[in-house]
This record gives sequence, C-alpha cells and structure tokens, in this order.
Amino acid sequence: GAGVSQSPSNKVTEKGKDVELRCDPISGHTALYWYRQSLGQGLEFLIYFQGNSAPDKSGLPSDRFSAERTGGSVSTLTIQRTQQEDSAVYLCASSSGGRVGAPQFFGPGTRLTVL
Amino acid sequence: GQQVMQIPQYQHVQEGEDFTTYCNSSTTLSNIQWYKQRPGGHPVFLIQLVKSGEVKKQKRLTFQFGEAKKNSSLHITATQTTDVGTYFCAGPSGAGSYQLTFGKGTKLSVIP
Repeated sequence: GAGVSQSPSNKVTEKGKDVELRCDPISGHTALYWYRQSLGQGLEFLIYFQGNSAPDKSGLPSDRFSAERTGGSVSTLTIQRTQQEDSAVYLCASSSGGRVGAPQFFGPGTRLTVL
Repeated sequence: GQQVMQIPQYQHVQEGEDFTTYCNSSTTLSNIQWYKQRPGGHPVFLIQLVKSGEVKKQKRLTFQFGEAKKNSSLHITATQTTDVGTYFCAGPSGAGSYQLTFGKGTKLSVIP
C-alpha cells in the first residue's frame, strides 16, 4: 500500500524557466489536491480534481500555473516562467472522495527554489 | 467564504507540560479533522470528528468537537519532544464540499 508520491523531491530552477511537478496519488483515490506551503506558513489551496469532473482551479494564483490529471490518476502541476515568489513546497494530497470532507493523505512534497 | 481560525499560532512548553490548541469555524461543520506536520515533513492525518460534542482520545491526545459543531480543540497531556510540530485543523469548505479549508496551524515547540 504505497502512499502518495511526488517527484522531484527538490527542484532548483532559474527565474523564467518552466517547471513540472508530478504527483502519484494513492491507488483508487478519486480526489487529488495540490497545495502550496511557503516557509513556516499554512496550506494554500491551488487546485482540486475529482474523478472525471472539471477541476476546481479557483486557488491557482496566476495563469502561469496549470495542472492536469491524466487517466484519473497521475497529476502534473506546471509553472511557466517561474518567479522567485513561486519558491515554496508544493504538496499533493489524495482522498477516497465520494463523501464530504474525506481525510486527505499527503505526499512528501516538492521543494521548489527559484533563483 | 468559510474561515477556519486556530489559536495560538505558536506555543512553547516545557516537556511534561500540557498543551491545547483551539480551532474555530465561521460556519457549522459536518466534520472536523486534525493533521500534524513534523518539521521538514508533510501533514499527516490524525483524526476526524463527526458528532456534536464528540470526544476522541489517542494516547496522550484528546480531541473535542463542540456542541455547535463550529469549534474544536486538541489537548496533549504531558508533552514529549516527539510532539513537536505544527497541528492543523480542517473542515469541509462548504456544505457538500469535498474540499477542506485548513486553519493556519499551531506550531508547538517542546523544551526538553
């Protein structure tokens, strides 16, 4: 029973470059969430996928951020033209969905540093 | 929109002392959840409370859900250094919502 996995664990990039962050949810979990956590801060919701429904993108901070979920499983968060303020830990979580407020299980995160 | 507030933001305790963090929602919640994030780690689900007035215990941790289902507390008895971390509460973002709104967390430091 593998948990949520994310890759890479660390990413250092130069300002203006594009980055892709990957999330593998727990098998069978229909709901997938992306959050951003700046140093010492809380969890900032970014985007939510539930099954085959249209994602809730209401938390994406700008149009430089986008995410996909292929085949209802793996998800990729893409940040275009990265800025220094994008530096943070990006956390992915999955849940079994199907009921209100199902517990979420988090991956280890990707620490993004934009130089 | 719904807000979930946690107090205190930080708490420093001597090892062996008790610790309590409080969570308050602007709306009635169908359930409330608690997560723990160790330094350098990721949030880990601890428990979910569903019923009005519910109390659940996990060893030295006691979780309470208020009668009005708008507030909750986490109490740790006789803290240990292993309790260090940030404790988050979270509730559904709206009626029927599959999303969670997280509080900003209470960061607990334990002085040995």
